Amino acid sequence: DTGVSQNPRHKITKRGQNVTFRCDPISEHNRLYWYRQTLGQGPEFLTYFQNEAQLEKSRLLSDRFSAERPKGSFSTLEIQRTEQGDSAMYLCASSLSEAGRGEQYFGPGTRLTVT
Amino acid sequence: AQKVTQAQTEISVVEKEDVTLDCVYETRDTTYYLFWYKQPPSGELVFLIRRNSFDEQNEISGRYSWNFQKSTSSFNFTITASQVVDSAVYFCALNGRGNTGKLIFGQGTTLQVKP
Repeated sequence: DTGVSQNPRHKITKRGQNVTFRCDPISEHNRLYWYRQTLGQGPEFLTYFQNEAQLEKSRLLSDRFSAERPKGSFSTLEIQRTEQGDSAMYLCASSLSEAGRGEQYFGPGTRLTVT
Repeated sequence: AQKVTQAQTEISVVEKEDVTLDCVYETRDTTYYLFWYKQPPSGELVFLIRRNSFDEQNEISGRYSWNFQKSTSSFNFTITASQVVDSAVYFCALNGRGNTGKLIFGQGTTLQVKP
């Protein structure tokens, strides 16, 4: 059983550029979550999908952020016109639905540095 | 509002000592789930335990044990006979309101186990 994978693991970009991250969840998991973690803090929820439907977005997710999960498998998170404040670790997690009770399994994260 | 507080920012112990990591939560829900995750230096969050609000039995898994006390809204984690490999950041998390499954994390406790 392969775990959650994320690509790339590291991304350095200049302010104003667009970036896209990919997450491949555990194959039988129908829920997929994105979190953001800054240094010294716990992860903060950004958005989640059940199958291909995006069901909730945090107010942390500005208009520059967009996430998709076509066909209910992998997901992408795009940040447009990056800002230095976007520098963080972006974590993806997946779980079985279980009415929201299931434990989430996390990927290794994508570390974004905006210069 | 829902909140998780881990008041201990950093703890340092010598190998073989027992250590307890504190977690206090706030929620108005009567049904909720609590989690502990470990984040080693490699960065990937590792699921340790899930506990629902109706089950106040303490749980033991090897050198790990968890004490859930609803009366004090606490879900503390004890490592017995700590080892250097236990060095990591530990996060307590609360399952958010409703069916989303999103996790609300505490700030984390950094545990350093010295040889």
